[in-house]
Amino acid sequence: GAGVSQSPSNKVTEKGKDVELRCDPISGHTALYWYRQRLGQGLEFLIYFQGNSAPDKSGLPSDRFSAERTGESVSTLTIQRTQQEDSAVYLCASSLLAGVGEQFFGPGTRLTVL
Amino acid sequence: DAKTTQPPSMDCAEGRAANLPCNHSTISGNEYVYWYRQIHSQGPQYIIHGLKNNETNEMASLIITEDRKSSTLILPHATLRDTAVYYCIVSRENYGQNFVFGPGTRLSVLP
Repeated sequence: GAGVSQSPSNKVTEKGKDVELRCDPISGHTALYWYRQRLGQGLEFLIYFQGNSAPDKSGLPSDRFSAERTGESVSTLTIQRTQQEDSAVYLCASSLLAGVGEQFFGPGTRLTVL
Repeated sequence: DAKTTQPPSMDCAEGRAANLPCNHSTISGNEYVYWYRQIHSQGPQYIIHGLKNNETNEMASLIITEDRKSSTLILPHATLRDTAVYYCIVSRENYGQNFVFGPGTRLSVLP
């Protein structure tokens, strides 16, 4: 596709349920990033994938959060046993190469935990 | 990565130049200055980045002081569509670019 896509665009879930958020990066982009943005705040880095290297998970807030990426394509962010404080917009970005130029962001998934 | 400081909000008249400042006094020699913006309910959009020389592209100009402790993003002819939150970020290239986005500057372009 022409840009980074994310699905679903909106997700409402009940506290304690697991959710999966999907990101399709731009074709050919080797680096993929997940960020979280709480209402009215800046972006928090969560995790970063670069090719086949081990991901940088330093931003994951707890062991309830995990992410996978298949090769240099789709990534899934999973949040287990969701809590109300997990409510936020989850943004995915990709870049052609790590450390080079710009990151292209998707539209985000708005997660609401009731 | 070095921390950045930006004013929380600014206004600019439509058609005038918008000058958005950013302080990054602890920047190190291998760190770049990046600017992104986020229009309401959208993902952030890359604007420009630079190391020490001034940069210009179709969207904006980036002026970096000689000591690199501060920079200014210039939108030469602001339009209503430029209303957004503007983020100044300092990051080392070749380090995964897990950008640290602060609160940014909320720019309001007024008719």
